[in-house]
Amino acid sequence: GENVEQHPSTLSVQEGDSAVIKCTYSDSASNYFPWYKQELGKGPQLIIDIRSNVGEKKDQRIAVTLNKTAKHFSLHITETQPEDSAVYFCAASRGGFNKFYFGSGTKLNVKP
Amino acid sequence: DTAVSQTPKYLVTQMGNDKSIKCEQNLGHDTMYWYKQDSKKFLKIMFSYNNKELIINETVPNRFSPKSPDKAHLNLHINSLELGDSAVYFCASSQVSAERGSGYTFGSGTRLTVV
Repeated sequence: GENVEQHPSTLSVQEGDSAVIKCTYSDSASNYFPWYKQELGKGPQLIIDIRSNVGEKKDQRIAVTLNKTAKHFSLHITETQPEDSAVYFCAASRGGFNKFYFGSGTKLNVKP
Repeated sequence: DTAVSQTPKYLVTQMGNDKSIKCEQNLGHDTMYWYKQDSKKFLKIMFSYNNKELIINETVPNRFSPKSPDKAHLNLHINSLELGDSAVYFCASSQVSAERGSGYTFGSGTRLTVV
């Protein structure tokens, strides 16, 4: 089955700095890679996703890159703000009705 | 107008009891899921239903029984609760096509504490 590894487990940055979270996956058939943000006491919320036919996707201050050859994908957050503080999860899936395999999460702390 | 709603939000119960968690989505999605998040925040799928049909059933003790009366509802019943069942349980939904992945919409979770 798929194995998704996520690093770092915790990340502390100063407000305004950039944050990068990295994930690797093992199943070359995985083709869909969503990222979720989970705030305290809430459910995970989809913030951005990328499919295997695309190398990069941006949405305002967040971007995701995918390297299919190396089987890794990354989340980039620029100009971080205190409200970006949360736990972020990556996931990988073969798409369709196949399940998501989640990474172990990264706790991001943005210091004002 | 909550998209995926779960009840109750908190559930404290004694070992050996039977309890249910309810989930409803108003997004018109055809697939619903139950995930378990342990104390280390790890998210693991338990079940998935598509149009009321079970399509994913992970290695979960048979004390856990999902029920989907229609595609907008997916309930989770747990018999003979054990201390190790303490976790946060998330319901989610998505509109899946056979070819493409699609992101989930999660509910806000049910924190189950077994004492």
